[in-house]
Formats: sequence, structure tokens, C-alpha cells
Amino acid sequence: DAKTTQPNSMESNEEEPVHLPCNHSTISGTDYIHWYRQLPSQGPEYVIHGLTSNVNNRMASLAIAEDRKSSTLILHRATLRDAAVYYCILSWGKLQFGAGTQVVVTP
Amino acid sequence: GAGVSQSPRYKVAKRGQDVALRCDPISGHVSLFWYQQALGQGPEFLTYFQNEAQLDKSGLPSDRFFAERPEGSVSTLKIQRTQQEDSAVYLCASSLSRQGLNTEAFFGQGTRLTVV
Repeated sequence: DAKTTQPNSMESNEEEPVHLPCNHSTISGTDYIHWYRQLPSQGPEYVIHGLTSNVNNRMASLAIAEDRKSSTLILHRATLRDAAVYYCILSWGKLQFGAGTQVVVTP
Repeated sequence: GAGVSQSPRYKVAKRGQDVALRCDPISGHVSLFWYQQALGQGPEFLTYFQNEAQLDKSGLPSDRFFAERPEGSVSTLKIQRTQQEDSAVYLCASSLSRQGLNTEAFFGQGTRLTVV
């Protein structure tokens, strides 16, 4: 299965943008790029997903490199509620989680 | 409610006891997944159902783990003769997609199992 690499943690100030990188150099042509986040004591929550084109929704934006070997999740204005572990996942049949990136938001 | 419901939320079992964890997926969702999450780790895939068919059980750690979804809706994860290393949060997720997760998956809050 294709794997992803993410930084262990990132810090951001409240109301500033957060750019979360993810490397997936062994991605296959059928793999979608998914992002989920997990708040403490909660199940993972869907954030966004895409295949080739950049994607936007009310929560975030997903920028996908042209060669698809990397992507970046962009939280446009971080709030304290965005403090969570963010997982970048490739899937065709199932979600395979890694360790994720712990995002810390400072007031 | 409209979300994925798991019960019980917390379970304490004595070592060697059998346990059954229940998942009520969102109505009409075809795909159902079970995950195991140890403290401080990301969720680890256990098994996948498409309707009542268990299409992938490659993540089940031993033959003490058994999952079923007999009518294609509610699913039960059973762990026989529990061991301390089974202590974890067990998460259930469901999705509309028949072909896997190129659509959104919805997770329950999980069942925290503690084996003493």
C-alpha cells in the first residue's frame, strides 16, 4: 500500500493560515488523497479529499502537486477548535492511517 | 441521531473474558469498517464489509477477533479471550461508496476497551 509522510507536529497562531504538507511519492493513479482530523476523545472526522485537481470546501483547501507526489492541506484561518491530529491518507479500498500531524493553535 | 453509533462507549473486561462491540452505521450506507486505535497511535484497519459480505479481514490481529454484519446494517466486533494488548479504542466507520473510500467516511465515537 502507498504510504504518506507528514511532520509530527505544527504550531500556528489563532486566525492565521496553516499549511500541512504530506508526501506520497508512491501514489498510484487510482489513489484518492484524503484528509481526516481527530479531536481528543472523538472519532476521525472527514476534512476533504481529491484526486488531481485542487479542492475547496467550507473547512479547508487541498492543493495537489502536478505529479501528485505531494499535497498540502490549507486551513485558511486557524481557530482553537482546529487543534487536532490531521491525517493524510491514500485509499482506493480502505483508509490506512499513519501517525498524522498534531496541530497546536495558540491564542 | 443521523451519525454512526457505537455501544458501549466504555467497556472494562477481565483478561480471558469475551466481549462484543456494536456498531450502528448510517442508514443505507453500504460500506462498513472497523479500526483499532492504541493510545497515541493512528487508527489501524481491522476489517471491511460491503453490505453483509466481509470483503477484507486482513487487519484482524488474531483468530480471537471476529466481525459480522449479517443483514448488511448493524455490525458486531467480537473479541474472544481478551488479552491486555487488546486494550484500545475500537472505531467503526461507514460510507455510501460501494467501491471503497473515494467518498466521505463517517466515524463513530468509538468504544474504549480496557482489559484488566
